[in-house]
Amino acid sequence: QVQLQESGPGLVKPSEILSLTCTVSGYLITSGNYWGWIRQPPGKGLEWIGTIYHSGNTRYNPSLKSRVTISVDTSKNQFSLKLSSVTAADTAVYYCARSYCSGGNCYLDIIDYWGRGTLVTVSS
Amino acid sequence: QSVLTQPPSVSAAPGQKVTISCSGSSSSIEKNYVSWYQQLPGTAPKLLIYENNKRPSGIPDRFSGSKSGTSATLGITGLQTGDEADYYCGTWDNSLGAVVFGGGTKLTIL
Repeated sequence: QVQLQESGPGLVKPSEILSLTCTVSGYLITSGNYWGWIRQPPGKGLEWIGTIYHSGNTRYNPSLKSRVTISVDTSKNQFSLKLSSVTAADTAVYYCARSYCSGGNCYLDIIDYWGRGTLVTVSS
Repeated sequence: QSVLTQPPSVSAAPGQKVTISCSGSSSSIEKNYVSWYQQLPGTAPKLLIYENNKRPSGIPDRFSGSKSGTSATLGITGLQTGDEADYYCGTWDNSLGAVVFGGGTKLTIL
């Protein structure tokens, strides 16, 4: 059973770097699939941040690309998110997630497994 | 403002049927598969429909999806109180080069 768990600070100061890690269990990251991050501001909708393949290939939301870095550590079966120069607008629940693959095709927009989410508040 | 447009809310009585629309564009829904997600209060979203009309294992056939042109629709029949949740559509947008979601629709069971 695939499980994803986010971890990291729940409070980040403005202008600093938000860092989160997602630990995957029950499935090897190197087995395929894309792995990514999605966020949800309180009371609002979902926003895709970006995704990474185990080889290190990344795709980012153009609206966040200048501030986002997603990396993978296959030895720990983890992937991570760094978001720089944060403001209050970055306050959100951050979900790590797996994208669906079938028949050799992977679909970044079909999210078949989600972590439980972690709230990150940006405040001084 | 979301790239995909959904009604903010819909409501219906137990046992009834409801549909939720999702409107996109020629660069999003028209050219790509649509997925639907259910988010129960205080929980993470869950994949409900993928590739326009397929259901993951464990999703009852009360839930269905369809697509036509630049729009997609989620249908739920035999409504239950446990279906009260927020529902999101999602797809890839070729112009933006990004995964995009609708703003979400809150389903209330009367």
